[in-house]
Amino acid sequence: IAGITQAPTSQILAAGRRMTLRCTQDMRHNAMYWYRQDLGLGLRLIHYSNTAGTTGKGEVPDGYSVSRANTDDFPLTLASAVPSQTSVYFCASSRKTNTEAFFGQGTRLTVV
Amino acid sequence: AQRVTQPEKLLSVFKGAPVELKCNYSYSGSPELFWYVQYSRQRLQLLLRHISRESIKGFTADLNKGETSFHLKKPFAQEEDSAMYYCALNSGNTPLVFGKGTRLSVIA
Repeated sequence: IAGITQAPTSQILAAGRRMTLRCTQDMRHNAMYWYRQDLGLGLRLIHYSNTAGTTGKGEVPDGYSVSRANTDDFPLTLASAVPSQTSVYFCASSRKTNTEAFFGQGTRLTVV
Repeated sequence: AQRVTQPEKLLSVFKGAPVELKCNYSYSGSPELFWYVQYSRQRLQLLLRHISRESIKGFTADLNKGETSFHLKKPFAQEEDSAMYYCALNSGNTPLVFGKGTRLSVIA
């Protein structure tokens, strides 16, 4: 089934550890995004990529990095996790930046 | 700067009552507006977009450029409409900007 897949579904992580959240899509979408969802704050953009080989910073990029080596994959890395990064992370993709976005099922991350 | 405002964090209505989820935006150009819905423990999914002018699951939304609004409406709420609703704005080649969301609770 075509779509966008995130892994892991949930994770408990010790503060200071490095973690990579995986995101893969098989729709050949050019654009991909990472959002974090926090109660009362809605969805905030962390990083995005308009096309393979390019990335851009969103509203809350600090503490996160991304790469876009190919069209399908867009991993999000926390170099040294902190408790404020406890959140639900959603990956999304769209054919172009200004078209409908399709979302993954989310990764619930708890940093302790 | 682009901004989306959803003034209500929580909206509770009785089954069969009309629903209106408010959304206002700030953008100087021609916006493209969307409503996304997230049912319990599910991923976000597109509910409707203003350019299609369609009704999905009984919901409609009209873009009012004069009031810079894109309110979501449904004449008769159903229990299965209980969910988190996000209004989103797209402009040119920038990613979607979301509002903070409104949780709709339909009471039987």
